[in-house]
Amino acid sequence: QKEVEQDPGPLSVPEGAIVSLNCTYSNSAFQYFMWYRQYSRKGPELLMYTYSSGNKEDGRFTAQVDKSSKYISLFIRDSQPSDSATYLCATRYSSASKIIFGSGTRLSIRP
Amino acid sequence: NAGVTQTPKFRVLKTGQSMTLLCAQDMNHEYMYWYRQDPGMGLRLIHYSVGEGTTAKGEVPDGYNVSRLKKQNFLLGLESAAPSQTSVYFCASSYRPDEGTDTQYFGPGTRLTVL
Repeated sequence: QKEVEQDPGPLSVPEGAIVSLNCTYSNSAFQYFMWYRQYSRKGPELLMYTYSSGNKEDGRFTAQVDKSSKYISLFIRDSQPSDSATYLCATRYSSASKIIFGSGTRLSIRP
Repeated sequence: NAGVTQTPKFRVLKTGQSMTLLCAQDMNHEYMYWYRQDPGMGLRLIHYSVGEGTTAKGEVPDGYNVSRLKKQNFLLGLESAAPSQTSVYFCASSYRPDEGTDTQYFGPGTRLTVL
């Protein structure tokens, strides 16, 4: 069993829709949770970083962690064609431990 | 600032050939990492370095060697390439992961094909 599971998609939604991206993880010891965005043929870039449970909002993006169900979510409001990318969830035990990545979900926003 | 740069961007090797991938960062970061990305597998850590002159094994180190002679550079070597090493290789760097919310900055990647 992979430590972090993520639906590969692809997910295609119309511009302006609310997007929900999700991951599950297996180890309750994970404390830090991240979302990376990766444009085609580019390196990943950090989008959101949260510690423990709860929500974190940054503009149109909201990251949510539910440690009781081991579920990580990323919501994108008012989605734009420029949001079309692969989104990777990631987690780590501590701030100094290695990052464990999900395999990524490919998202396409239709104009 | 250029951030994290990688050379070359593309390379095709024959089985058994060797090559070195170069990663350079201009952010004065202590930590550097080499990952490989394969379809359906996500990013997997090959080797990493916590400072100049240090290296350590990651999740999938077999068939690779690394060196960090200068703080700004991290080299990944393939001594005898195999088709299983066909992948996209990413280098990343970070300041100090033990200080709060550490961000890893990634390079643009090297696409390697081994025939």
